[in-house]
Amino acid sequence: KNEVEQSPQNLTAQEGEFITINCSYSVGISALHWLQQHPGGGIVSLFMLSSGKKKHGRLIATINIQEKHSSLHITASHPRDSAVYICAVCDTQGGSEKLVFGKGMKLTVNP
Amino acid sequence: AAGVIQSPRHLIKEKRETATLKCYPIPRHDTVYWYQQGPGQDPQFLISFYEKMQSDKGSIPDRFSAQQFSDYHSELNMSSLELGDSALYFCASRPLAGPPYEQYFGPGTRLTVT
Repeated sequence: KNEVEQSPQNLTAQEGEFITINCSYSVGISALHWLQQHPGGGIVSLFMLSSGKKKHGRLIATINIQEKHSSLHITASHPRDSAVYICAVCDTQGGSEKLVFGKGMKLTVNP
Repeated sequence: AAGVIQSPRHLIKEKRETATLKCYPIPRHDTVYWYQQGPGQDPQFLISFYEKMQSDKGSIPDRFSAQQFSDYHSELNMSSLELGDSALYFCASRPLAGPPYEQYFGPGTRLTVT
């Protein structure tokens, strides 16, 4: 079982739809990142959160530490939101500081 | 605000050649992490440095080496390149005394080995 699992793996939506991307993890963490990667592009950090909820523009990220689950919501989706969204957690077990990444979710928003 | 800088952004090398990738952390960041993302793969941790010393090591091949310099920039040296080394290599930096999860990502260097 992967330490970080994302669902769905792929999602196609119509412009304007509300989108939710889920991330579940099995390790004890100190924080979680939501990252965005456009095709052929680099990694852009969207959120870094350790509790509660954060909002930036049309993006909202929530985390439930007890349930080991986080969600990324996109409101009023737009074709430019088409990208791979990656969840990464900071695994605090064993004194490590490295991030463990999920396999990403490919989002396609059609006009 | 200053961000993490990586150079070059794109690099094409032939098999058995060497490559050097550079990462310049945000000012007052003393920790650097290197990650590798192969085509269609999730990123994997390679190695990290804190105060110019290696602090953690992941799945980094023996053909690769890295170091952090006195100005906190880091270089990833890759020798005897193989086709399978083609990937996006990105680094992240962490502020002085910051928590481990507070990593800020660079744009990455896309290495293509032909």
